[in-house]
Amino acid sequence: EPEVTQTPSHQVTQMGQEVILRCVPISNHLYFYWYRQILGQKVEFLVSFYNNEISEKSEIFDDQFSVERPDGSNFTLKIRSTKLEDSAMYFCASRELEAFFGQGTRLTVV
Amino acid sequence: KQEVTQIPAALSVPEGENLVLNCSFTDSAIYNLQWFRQDPGKGLTSLLLIQSSQREQTSGRLNASLDKSSGRSTLYIAASQPGDSATYLCAVLDSNYQLIWGAGTKLIIKP
Repeated sequence: EPEVTQTPSHQVTQMGQEVILRCVPISNHLYFYWYRQILGQKVEFLVSFYNNEISEKSEIFDDQFSVERPDGSNFTLKIRSTKLEDSAMYFCASRELEAFFGQGTRLTVV
Repeated sequence: KQEVTQIPAALSVPEGENLVLNCSFTDSAIYNLQWFRQDPGKGLTSLLLIQSSQREQTSGRLNASLDKSSGRSTLYIAASQPGDSATYLCAVLDSNYQLIWGAGTKLIIKP
């Protein structure tokens, strides 16, 4: 069964450092998403990506965040200068009709 | 603005019981509704997808229904098992192609 793959599964970084979270969506999907979930809280939408550009983004997705699809397969989320409150589980998803999620990257900012 | 609500927030039942989880949404203009399962600290696993034109979908002991006009979906779990313990989330794909999430129902099945 096709799956969305995220790497790394866990990343610890110092406050102020840049991090790049990587995702390999399902190959024939056209819609891609990043979500985050702070421990014990609701899943929050960050950004959606279609046709090689951002289609929508939330208030959370400020200038510290960016997304890229550098090589037609990978889909990355970059956080330029991490803050303590960026600590969360970050999920990538891709979809046609049905959305499939990766297993997430647990980001811990110390 | 689409809002998704899940009731109850938590549910604890003895093993073997049949149970129903509820999801409601405020705007009936949706493309589909999905039910997901999330184990603690883990990812989101898709359980069932119901297209807006469908009334229900079944997978094993799970049955999901959709009443778009009333803005409701239910997830029915038959003969519950301890391994069913998890948080169950519903999400609708709205008219802007965004997934709008409920807060989830935390389910505990007691052996």
